[in-house]
Amino acid sequence: SSELTQDPAVSVALGQTVRITCQGDSLRTYSASWYQQKPGQAPVNVRPSGIPDHFSGSSSGNTAALTITGAQAEDEADYYCVSRDSSGSLVVFGGGTKLTVL
Amino acid sequence: QVQLVQSGAEVKKPGASVKVSCKAFGYALTSFYIHWVRQAPGQGLEWMGIINPDGGATTYAQKYDDRVTMTRDTSTSTVYMELSNLRSEDTAVYYCTRSFQRGDLDFDYWGQGTLVTVSS
Repeated sequence: SSELTQDPAVSVALGQTVRITCQGDSLRTYSASWYQQKPGQAPVNVRPSGIPDHFSGSSSGNTAALTITGAQAEDEADYYCVSRDSSGSLVVFGGGTKLTVL
Repeated sequence: QVQLVQSGAEVKKPGASVKVSCKAFGYALTSFYIHWVRQAPGQGLEWMGIINPDGGATTYAQKYDDRVTMTRDTSTSTVYMELSNLRSEDTAVYYCTRSFQRGDLDFDYWGQGTLVTVSS
C-alpha cells in the first residue's frame, strides 16, 4: 500500500503532551519525517533530533508518531508525516492532522 | 543564504500547460535533489516527483507520470516543473523543496510556493 493515514484533527490542552500518529504498511520498512505547516506558509521540517525536548519521534510496526511535549499556542498547525511507498521508489505524504491547542 | 525562489502565480485555461521555475541561491544546485510538492486549496500535501539536478534523472508519482516533466538548467541554477493538460483539479500551490540524498525525506528548504489557478 502507498497510503499513510493520519487522524484529521487532534486537540491538546496548553502545556500538555500530545501524540500525532501516522499509519501505513510501508512504515514497517521505511522511517517517517514530520512537517509542520501554518496557514499561508510553506511546511517546516519538525526534526525530532533538532528539538529533543519539545518534538520527538517514534516508530513501532506500521505506526510512526510525533510527540509534542508541553504544547504551546504556537504549536497549533497542521502536521504531516512523509515516508516512502512500499516499493521504496516513491514518496508519499499522510493526509495531515490539524492540531488545536486549547 | 540558501533560498529557493519560485516563479509567480499563473492562471491557465483547462487543457493548457504550466511551467513553474525554482531558482536556487546560496548553494550548488547539483548538490541536492529537488522535489515538487503541491497543495490544493484546503487540502493536504501531495508529492509529485523528484529530479536530480546532477544529470537530470527524474522519478514521478504515478498520478502525474503522463503529464509532468521536471527539468533543470544548471547554468542558471534553476529547476522547472511543467504540468500539461491542466484541469480544474490542478488548481493548487506548487512548492519545490530539496533533500541532500535521494532517499532523504528531511526537506530543509522550501520555495515560497507558486499558485496555479486553472479556470475557464
